[in-house]
Amino acid sequence: DGGITQSPKYLFRKEGQNVTLSCEQNLNHDAMYWYRQDPGQGLRLIYYSQIVNDFQKGDIAEGYSVSREKKESFPLTVTSAQKNPTAFYLCASSPIIGGYEQYFGPGTRLTVT
Amino acid sequence: KQEVTQIPAALSVPEGENLVLNCSFTDSAIYNLQWFRQDPGKGLTSLLLIQSSQREQTSGRLNASLDKSSGRSTLYIAASQPGDSATYLCAVLSTQGGSEKLVFGKGTKLTVNP
Repeated sequence: DGGITQSPKYLFRKEGQNVTLSCEQNLNHDAMYWYRQDPGQGLRLIYYSQIVNDFQKGDIAEGYSVSREKKESFPLTVTSAQKNPTAFYLCASSPIIGGYEQYFGPGTRLTVT
Repeated sequence: KQEVTQIPAALSVPEGENLVLNCSFTDSAIYNLQWFRQDPGKGLTSLLLIQSSQREQTSGRLNASLDKSSGRSTLYIAASQPGDSATYLCAVLSTQGGSEKLVFGKGTKLTVNP
């Protein structure tokens, strides 16, 4: 089955701790994305990557970091610098940048107390 | 800056009714428009993708239209069923600040009552 997997589904952390969210795809897509979703708001782009070893900041990159060492994987680290980290995080991928459909993973709900 | 608005924010209809969800966007220079479905606590499922050169797309009981010049799209759901209950999101792909980005509306929460 081809698709995007995110783990874990639920994540709980104490304030001040860094946490890494996993995103893996076996669709052979070049482009990958991280979005954040808060209640009553549209999805907002955190980071995106068009190719291995390259990534770009989205609209709300502060307090987050990413890496793209493999085509299949695009992990997101939520650092202690992120002021309001509690949210639903969604990973997506598309064949390439350029008007193609984006496919989404099941999401990770992060709660920081 | 591209902005996407979805009206209404919530909609409740009886089973069997045909319905229309609305989406508007401020910048008509788009690559495409996608309609997604999201169930509570779940990821997004792509329903329909309309390229900027197209006027509509159909999949089963769903029909999406695009009027790029007026900055509007509609999602028509025929013969609604309780299983259609979900939040429907509209998103447009366009160039923002030199980068290609998918900009989302806040969604319409649909409830279909048996």
